[in-house]
Amino acid sequence: KAGVTQTPRYLIKTRGQQVTLSCSPISGHRSVSWYQQTPGQGLQFLFEYFSETQRNKGNFPGRFSGRQFSNSRSEMNVSTLELGDSALYLCASSSIGRGRVQETQYFGPGTRLLVL
Amino acid sequence: ILNVEQSPQSLHVQEGDSTNFTCSFPSSNFYALHWYRWETAKSPEALFVMTLNGDEKKKGRISATLNTKEGYSYLYIKGSQPEDSATYLCAYSTSGTYKYIFGTGTRLKVLA
Repeated sequence: KAGVTQTPRYLIKTRGQQVTLSCSPISGHRSVSWYQQTPGQGLQFLFEYFSETQRNKGNFPGRFSGRQFSNSRSEMNVSTLELGDSALYLCASSSIGRGRVQETQYFGPGTRLLVL
Repeated sequence: ILNVEQSPQSLHVQEGDSTNFTCSFPSSNFYALHWYRWETAKSPEALFVMTLNGDEKKKGRISATLNTKEGYSYLYIKGSQPEDSATYLCAYSTSGTYKYIFGTGTRLKVLA
């Protein structure tokens, strides 16, 4: 079974620009979560989608948004980029369903974003 | 505010040594505790998921225990090998949510 894929792997943008990152989950997985990792910080939860609906959101400004498509692929968008948005962005998928015991998340390789 | 703490932050051990790390988390509304291994330039890899107080999991030389009443989990590595060098993350989730709160990890370096 193919793993979680993320594109692009590396990205350089300038302040004020916007960026869209893509995540394709493992086939059959319907839950996709996004995380940000910056030096010295643990993985910070951004949001989680299930069946095209955002079920939970972390404490990030509204510049960070996401969506999920009917095939479970997900995109994350950051508008008006700031220097502090430079980070590794990871997505993770799981087959978690409503009311079921939470299952393991499988992570993608990440997208490394550098904002200049 | 939920807070997951891991200790130590980093650790250097000799090949063959056994070692352990701690993950502390709020004991209220506990739902699940996950351990991940994250090697440099790779994706985090799931090791264990534990849900019940007293759970013990084992995978080869690595094992983990869980105490939900006092809010901690231990990860043990027996006979460390250089390939065990990685950052070990724990993540905690609460009832009724669909998010995981991660600790900052323990960075292990096993010296040959």
